[in-house]
Amino acid sequence: GAVVSQHPSRVICKSGTSVKIECRSLDFQATTMFWYRQFPKKSLMLMATSNEGSKATYEQGVEKDKFLINHASLTLSTLTVTSAHPEDSSFYICSAKRSGHSNQPQHFGDGTRLSIL
Amino acid sequence: TQLLEQSPQFLSIQEGENLTVYCNSSSVFSSLQWYRQEPGEGPVLLVTVVTGGEVKKLKRLTFQFGDARKDSSLHITAAQPGDTGLYLCAGVSRGSNYKLTFGKGTLLTVNP
Repeated sequence: GAVVSQHPSRVICKSGTSVKIECRSLDFQATTMFWYRQFPKKSLMLMATSNEGSKATYEQGVEKDKFLINHASLTLSTLTVTSAHPEDSSFYICSAKRSGHSNQPQHFGDGTRLSIL
Repeated sequence: TQLLEQSPQFLSIQEGENLTVYCNSSSVFSSLQWYRQEPGEGPVLLVTVVTGGEVKKLKRLTFQFGDARKDSSLHITAAQPGDTGLYLCAGVSRGSNYKLTFGKGTLLTVNP
């Protein structure tokens, strides 16, 4: 199988703190990972494409300095929400594509529920 | 910007009824995927359709890809409470790292 693990699954923190979310491909290497944001009962909105060893590509309207992405290895990408505020509360989901297989599907993590008080 | 229009957004039906969810775009995608998502979890891939006019069946679910590869439908026969969930269509863009463009989703509730 192709398993993607996301950690933590849920985090609650105070306004102004920074929160790091990890996305790991457990049994395959992933050159490319994607970060999405989802509001309750709504669809997934792509935030950025994370590429191993290079800078992430952000979608229009997504603040690079607010949502820091690091993809330092072929199995790990991290999303850091800096100086989080209540409006950043959301469900964040990552996905990973198997390296060397450009037409393979994305494998999704189970998401991280972020609540900023 | 490629957009996917998905309808209906909300659907509440009784067990045993049939339903169809539609996904339409003004652009051509290299392929189209359908996902099902349950609360608090990531989306799970149901099917990928690639060829115009393609029809795929997954038990009581039938997926169609339009001839022009701009639209797709998901038909569920004899819906069951276990079918309840958020159904998402997503267009695959080959030229953009195969990134996905999601429709707005259809929240299906099947009442026993």
